Amino acid sequence: EPEVTQTPSHQVTQMGQEVILRCVPISNHLYFYWYRQILGQKVEFLVSFYNNEISEKSEIFDDQFSVERPDGSNFTLKIRSTKLEDSAMYFCASKLSSYEQYFGPGTRLTVT
Amino acid sequence: TQLLEQSPQFLSIQEGENLTVYCNSSSVFSSLQWYRQEPGEGPVLLVTVVTGGEVKKLKRLTFQFGDARKDSSLHITAAQPGDTGLYLCAGLNTGTASKLTFGTGTRLQVTL
Repeated sequence: EPEVTQTPSHQVTQMGQEVILRCVPISNHLYFYWYRQILGQKVEFLVSFYNNEISEKSEIFDDQFSVERPDGSNFTLKIRSTKLEDSAMYFCASKLSSYEQYFGPGTRLTVT
Repeated sequence: TQLLEQSPQFLSIQEGENLTVYCNSSSVFSSLQWYRQEPGEGPVLLVTVVTGGEVKKLKRLTFQFGDARKDSSLHITAAQPGDTGLYLCAGLNTGTASKLTFGTGTRLQVTL
């Protein structure tokens, strides 16, 4: 069964460093998303991406964040200058159309 | 801001018992999805309900969408230890590229 994959599973970085989180969505899907989940809190929407552009973003997704689909398979989230409060699980999701979003296993980002 | 409140937050029951988890909002959603999440992993989609009043069954799990599409319930019959996990409801806003708004989660523990 097709699934969303994410790399790395765990990323440790120092405050102020740039990180790139990578996702390979399900191959025929058209809509792509990033969500995050701070430990003990609920899953929060960051950004949605369709037709090679951002379709919606949350207040969390400020100028330090960017997304890219550099080729036909990868979908990346870049944080330019990480802060302690960026420590969280980051989930990529994708969907073909309509309703069901399928989530990847997540990348645990730890900022020290 | 759309909010989804789940109740109860925690539920500890014995194998064989029945339980119901509630997901409530003051907002209308175009559809509602139920996910299950294991520690350190991504949410796994269980079901999507779309029509007001819709009932869907997945083995021992019964999902219902409220008539006004503002609330939903998950009923588990004869719970088993394998049902242990975090259950999340998530509402989808209108628009095909739209984000999911996640509920606060219900952590279920089923003991022998």
